[in-house]
Amino acid sequence: DIQMTQSPSTLSASVGDRVTITCRASQSISSWLAWYQQKPGKAPKLLIYKASSLESGVPSRFSGSGSGTEFTLTISSLQPDDFATYYCQQYNSFPWTFGQGTKVEIK
Amino acid sequence: QVQLQESGPGLVKPSQTLSLTCTVSGGSISSGSYYWSWIRQPAGKGLEWIGRIYTSGSTNYNPSLKSRVTISVDTSKNQFSLKLSSVTAADTAVYYCARETIRGSYFDYWGQGTLVTVSS
Repeated sequence: DIQMTQSPSTLSASVGDRVTITCRASQSISSWLAWYQQKPGKAPKLLIYKASSLESGVPSRFSGSGSGTEFTLTISSLQPDDFATYYCQQYNSFPWTFGQGTKVEIK
Repeated sequence: QVQLQESGPGLVKPSQTLSLTCTVSGGSISSGSYYWSWIRQPAGKGLEWIGRIYTSGSTNYNPSLKSRVTISVDTSKNQFSLKLSSVTAADTAVYYCARETIRGSYFDYWGQGTLVTVSS
């Protein structure tokens, strides 16, 4: 299985901050990576697919980059609605696997 | 707007079979553009992909669960289902059904999730 490792596990930030989350794959996954946002008690919500493509309806403050084994999710100006847990997911090879999550907390 | 809704028992006894159904509305499960997946999340932990099915009935499973998992589809009811046999407490989790696009296997629509507890 391809292991996905996110860092940091927890991130404390303030409204307006620029936030970056990193996801590393244990082997190359080209650009076959998605990012999700999950709030407590809710299902994950797709933010980014194919490493850098913004899902329809997702605010433009979210962006993704990277290829191969290293990827980043950036929130350009953190908003109150963005405090949540973020997961990356690879879909290069079976089984699809997720990172362990990064919780973005209020500083 | 596509909606997915999980249903099934919230409590299952150890060694028994967990059975869940996902009902799809707002779109046809027979559309050739999607796979239909199951994903689970133990409390306070990360996400684990269980497996998926295509409208034709073709399936792919996570090898870690493959010996215990069966996913099936009922196109007449616009539903797909999950069966997980010989459950233990480690199978206690929120179970999600999700739509997976063919053009890239990410999950664009999710059900709200249903908690299944394995306990005697």
